Amino acid sequence: DVKVTQSSRYLVKRTGEKVFLECVQDMDHENMFWYRQDPGLGLRLIYFSYDVKMKEKGDIPEGYSVSREKKERFSLILESASTNQTSMYLCASSARLGRYHGYTFGSGTRLTVV
Amino acid sequence: GIQVEQSPPDLILQEGANSTLRCNFSDSVNNLQWFHQNPWGQLINLFYIPSGTKQNGRLSATTVATERYSLLYISSSQTTDSGVYFCAVRSGGGADGLTFGKGTHLIIQP
Repeated sequence: DVKVTQSSRYLVKRTGEKVFLECVQDMDHENMFWYRQDPGLGLRLIYFSYDVKMKEKGDIPEGYSVSREKKERFSLILESASTNQTSMYLCASSARLGRYHGYTFGSGTRLTVV
Repeated sequence: GIQVEQSPPDLILQEGANSTLRCNFSDSVNNLQWFHQNPWGQLINLFYIPSGTKQNGRLSATTVATERYSLLYISSSQTTDSGVYFCAVRSGGGADGLTFGKGTHLIIQP
């Protein structure tokens, strides 16, 4: 069964901390994505990557950075966590065009910044 | 960017009823998916359906790409069908992420 695995289901961090959210996929997908989901605002794209060491900004990249050193792993980094980054974070992956390119999501990380 | 509208926003039904959820989108797409978000927040892929019709048990979906809409049908609803159903689309040829609708919140009452 193909999977996207996020390292933590729940996370509580303090304001100003550096936070790493990890995502690993086992489907040999080229593309990986980070979303956040907030009540009333829906799912919004933060960053995506279409290859190792490549990254592109999504709709709301401010306050975040990403790292993709290996094809299967995509990390979201909060350089200095703030309370407005309290949210549900969802990772996804998809294959490059030409193959089936449905998106598969991980189970999510609920981050609370206090 | 592409706009995605889902209707209705909320739906309350009795167990055993049938329902139809609609997704309208503003541009041509090369990917359309229906997801069910479970109570723990995970998005479960129901259908990958940029065009045509598919069925999986009590669920089926139809996308009419030329008219820019998709429908998700749920027959003989069960309480476990409760949750939020999202339609998400992608247009363009790059690796851009999916654009999500705001979802339909479905409640199935016993």
